[in-house]
This record gives sequence, structure tokens and C-alpha cells, in this order.
Amino acid sequence: GENVEQHPSTLSVQEGDSAVIKCTYSDSASNYFPWYKQELGKRPQLIIDIRSNVGEKKDQRIAVTLNKTAKHFSLHITETQPEDSAVYFCAAPKGGSEKLVFGKGTKLTVNP
Amino acid sequence: NAGVMQNPRHLVRRRGQEARLRCSPMKGHSHVYWYRQLPEEGLKFMVYLQKENIIDESGMPKERFSAEFPKEGPSILRIQQVVRGDSAAYFCASSPGGMNTEAFFGQGTRLTVV
Repeated sequence: GENVEQHPSTLSVQEGDSAVIKCTYSDSASNYFPWYKQELGKRPQLIIDIRSNVGEKKDQRIAVTLNKTAKHFSLHITETQPEDSAVYFCAAPKGGSEKLVFGKGTKLTVNP
Repeated sequence: NAGVMQNPRHLVRRRGQEARLRCSPMKGHSHVYWYRQLPEEGLKFMVYLQKENIIDESGMPKERFSAEFPKEGPSILRIQQVVRGDSAAYFCASSPGGMNTEAFFGQGTRLTVV
């Protein structure tokens, strides 16, 4: 079945720096890769997603890149702000199904 | 659109009691997923349901846990004879179905077993 590995588990940056979180997946049939942000005590919320027909997608300070050959995708946050502090989860569907398998999460701390 | 609604938000049960967690999907969504999240940990898949059908329950413990999504009404995650280890946040997500569609999460139910 699908296995999603996420690194690092914790990440601390200074305000204004960039942050990069990486995920690898095992099922080559996966073709949809969402990223969720979960603030303390709140629900996970989708912040960006990418489908396998593109290699990169940007939305203001957030971008996601996908390398299907290597089976990895990354979240890039530029000009980080304290409100970016949260836990970020990547996910990938089990190939041929709609079941999302999540990475273990990355706790991002942006220091003012 | 009210979004995915879960209730109760907080639930306290004594060991041995039953816990019932409810999830109403977003309007127009026919697919429901349940995830469990332990403190400081990730989201663990439990079960995936469509109306009146369990599609994938590979993440459900073999005993004491069950889920349903009836034709009418919310999806229910039921935990019988709860134990302390069941204490966690249980999140429900819904989607309209089909491949590559976004899943929207509810606020979660925080279950505490005392």
C-alpha cells in the first residue's frame, strides 16, 4: 500500500527566511498531492495541492514542486511569518483509490 | 455551506462506556473519511465510507470500533467499551468523490477516557 514519508519532523526558521518540507511516496499510481496546515487545536486545512500533470504550482508565498520520477514532492514557503507556525501534513492517495495517506507532519516554528 | 460538522466537539467517557462520534459531510459530498490523531502525532486513516457502504476499513481496530454512513443522517463512528488508549482527536473529512478531489475536514471530536 501507499507509504508517505515526511521530513523534517520539526523545523525552526527566522521570520523572513524560507522553509522547505519534503515528502516521498511509494505508489507510482498516485497522482494527487495535497498539503494541509493544522494550527494548534484546529482542523487540518488544505493550503495547496498539485496534480501529476504539472511539476510546480505557486500561490503567493507558497509553492509545491513534484518530481514523479523520483516520487517526491515538496512544500516551499518564502518570506515566512509567525502566523505560518503550524503543523504541515503532506498526503497522497493510495493508488487507484480516493483514500488519502498522510505523512507524519512537520511542526514549523517561525521565530520573530 | 456549513462545512463538515462534527459533534460533539469534546466527549468525556469513563472506561467501559460507549462513545459515539457524529459527522455530517458538506452538502453534496457523499464520501466520508475518519482519521485519528494522537497528541503530537499525525493523522492515521481509520475508515472510508460512501452512503450505506464501507469502502475501506483497513485502519480500524478489529474490535470495539465500527462505523456507518446511513442513507439518511450523519456518519457515526462508534467505540464500544472505551479504554484510556482511545483518548485522541477524531477527525472526519468529506469529499464529493472521484479521483484527485479535495477532502475537507471537520473540527474534530476530542475524546477523553477517564
